[in-house]
Amino acid sequence: EAGVAQSPRYKIIEKRQSVAFWCNPISGHATLYWYQQILGQGPKLLIQFQNNGVVDDSQLPKDRFSAERLKGVDSTLKIQPAKLEDSAVYLCASSFSRRRGGNIQYFGAGTRLSVL
Amino acid sequence: SQKIEQNSEALNIQEGKTATLTCNYTNYSPAYLQWYRQDPGRGPVFLLLIRENEKEKRKERLKVTFDTTLKQSLFHITASQPADSATYLCARSSNTGKLIFGQGTTLQVKP
Repeated sequence: EAGVAQSPRYKIIEKRQSVAFWCNPISGHATLYWYQQILGQGPKLLIQFQNNGVVDDSQLPKDRFSAERLKGVDSTLKIQPAKLEDSAVYLCASSFSRRRGGNIQYFGAGTRLSVL
Repeated sequence: SQKIEQNSEALNIQEGKTATLTCNYTNYSPAYLQWYRQDPGRGPVFLLLIRENEKEKRKERLKVTFDTTLKQSLFHITASQPADSATYLCARSSNTGKLIFGQGTTLQVKP
């Protein structure tokens, strides 16, 4: 089966510019996650969708980050305006369900963002 | 606060030896722990999941243990190979299904 697709793979922008990332999860996966991974750290959840509804966005900096999952399939994550500290890899993951504890997540290759 | 911690120092071992990576958690008792592998420039890939009522789980050369008394999970790779070199991430699941990761341990297997 096809894996989680993300684009672009790399993006370089200047601070205060805006940027958008796209994710297409595995077909049939109801749950979609966006993680931020700063160099040397583990991924940190930004937002979790169940179909097209938000389950958890407690760690999403809502003054600059936004995400949507229209039609419950692919998703976009936007940063506007970007700050230097947003430089990181943005990972999208999907799972069949959000069953407590036992859900295995499948990750895309990520988008590496550099903010200059 | 609830924390999940891994040894941030890289682990260097010789090919053929057993690699043992540690994951410690504090202030809670996770029902599940998951282990993922991450190669440079790639997303994490699921390896093993262990439940709190399981002492041990095996998959080929991989073994995970879960000690609720010590609040610790150990991840073992037996007969290690240079191809096992990667960063290994431990994660617990929240009630909503999101994963909370440790910082990862980088393993380097030398031929």
